[in-house]
Amino acid sequence: GQQVMQIPQYQHVQEGEDFTTYCNSSTTLSNIQWYKQRPGGHPVFLIQLVKSGEVKKQKRLTFQFGEAKKNSSLHITATQTTDVGTYFCAGPVKGSNYKLTFGKGTLLTVNP
Amino acid sequence: NAGVTQTPKFQVLKTGQSMTLQCAQDMNHNSMYWYRQDPGMGLRLIYYSASEGTTDKGEVPNGYNVSRLNKREFSLRLESAAPSQTSVYFCASSVEPPTQYFGPGTRLLVL
Repeated sequence: GQQVMQIPQYQHVQEGEDFTTYCNSSTTLSNIQWYKQRPGGHPVFLIQLVKSGEVKKQKRLTFQFGEAKKNSSLHITATQTTDVGTYFCAGPVKGSNYKLTFGKGTLLTVNP
Repeated sequence: NAGVTQTPKFQVLKTGQSMTLQCAQDMNHNSMYWYRQDPGMGLRLIYYSASEGTTDKGEVPNGYNVSRLNKREFSLRLESAAPSQTSVYFCASSVEPPTQYFGPGTRLLVL
């Protein structure tokens, strides 16, 4: 079945360092979404990418969708302690308008 | 707007007991979902409801039942709880699938 894989599983950085998490799908995706979950919290939708090669920015966060629409990345510039949490990517299940397949997430911790 | 609300926040059950997790959304969303989240397993879809009056199985439906009571409410029932159902349960809703808005979660421990 369709799989969405994320690496790394964990990342610890010093405050001010950059961070990148990568997402790879076994199938071509019509779109990809990113969510953030703070420790003890619930996933919160960050962004959706739809077009091949698309790049979107939200302040210090940069999201990219690969040309083949099978991979994506999230890059955080100059991390802050508020960036701590788990970042999930998710793609629609092929043939379904309603179901998402989530990656297992990357847990980011930031040392102040 | 409260968004997506879930009750209870925490629950401890004994093996074999039953319970219903409640979820409600006030965003007028058509679609609603139940996920479970376990360490190292990410988010797994249990059941979803594309619209009022319809429900469908997700990835891990065994041991669960759902009811889409109306457009606002979607409940998840455990008929006979098992320790393997210890998890955090999230309800979500969406207006344009599949972008989803999650509730705060229910932490369930089955002894």
